[in-house]
Amino acid sequence: EPEVTQTPSHQVTQMGQEVILRCVPISNHLYFYWYRQILGQKVEFLVSFYNNEISEKSEIFDDQFSVERPDGSNFTLKIRSTKLEDSAMYFCASNPTGVPYGYTFGSGTRLTVV
Amino acid sequence: GDSVTQMEGPVTLSEEAFLTINCTYTATGYPSLFWYVQYPGEGLQLLLKATKADDKGSNKGFEATYRKETTSFHLEKGSVQVSDSAVYFCALSDQMDTGRRALTFGSGTRLQVQP
Repeated sequence: EPEVTQTPSHQVTQMGQEVILRCVPISNHLYFYWYRQILGQKVEFLVSFYNNEISEKSEIFDDQFSVERPDGSNFTLKIRSTKLEDSAMYFCASNPTGVPYGYTFGSGTRLTVV
Repeated sequence: GDSVTQMEGPVTLSEEAFLTINCTYTATGYPSLFWYVQYPGEGLQLLLKATKADDKGSNKGFEATYRKETTSFHLEKGSVQVSDSAVYFCALSDQMDTGRRALTFGSGTRLQVQP
C-alpha cells in the first residue's frame, strides 16, 4: 500500500537554528499538508499546499515557517529560527483530491528544540 | 471556530472488555466526522467516518454514530484485543469553517489493552 514517508523520525536542534523536515507524499496525490502535535495537546493544522502554492494556512504558520515542493516528489517544511515552543511531532499528509476522508498521513518527525 | 473534545487517557482495559471513547464537537456548519488511529511508530490511519447525522461508521469491529442532537461521535468496540492498543483521535472536517478542507483534531486518547 502506498505510504507517505517522513524523514528524519527524530530531530534535535538548537534554539535559533534552521530546520527542514522532509516528506515524500504519495506520487499521484495533489494536495499536501503539514500538521503538528505538541506533546499532550491537540493535532493542529499548519498548512495545505496545492498546485505549487499554499492554499490555506493557520495562524500558527507565521513568517518563521515555509513549505516547498522543490523537485516534484519531496514536500518540505522549513522553520527558519527554531524556538523551544516549536518542539512537537510534525505530521505530513497527502490527499489525492482534497476530500476530507482522503488523507494519508506519515508517521511523523519528532522535533526537539534545546 | 471548530473544536473537538475527547476523553483523556490513558484508558486501560482487559482483553475482551467493552470500549467507549467519548468525543464531542463544535462546528459552524455540517461537518464530516472521523476517527483516526495511530499504532506505535506509524502514521495516523483513518479508522472510520460518518458524513451526515445518524450515519454509523464502522471498521474492524469499531463503531461510531454521528449524533447531531448531542454533537457527539463516540467510538465503541464490543470486545477489545491487545492489538487494539494505540492512540485514537477524533476529528472533523467542516468546509463551512473558512471553506478549507483541513481536519480539526482532538488531543487523542491512548488505549492500553492488557492480556
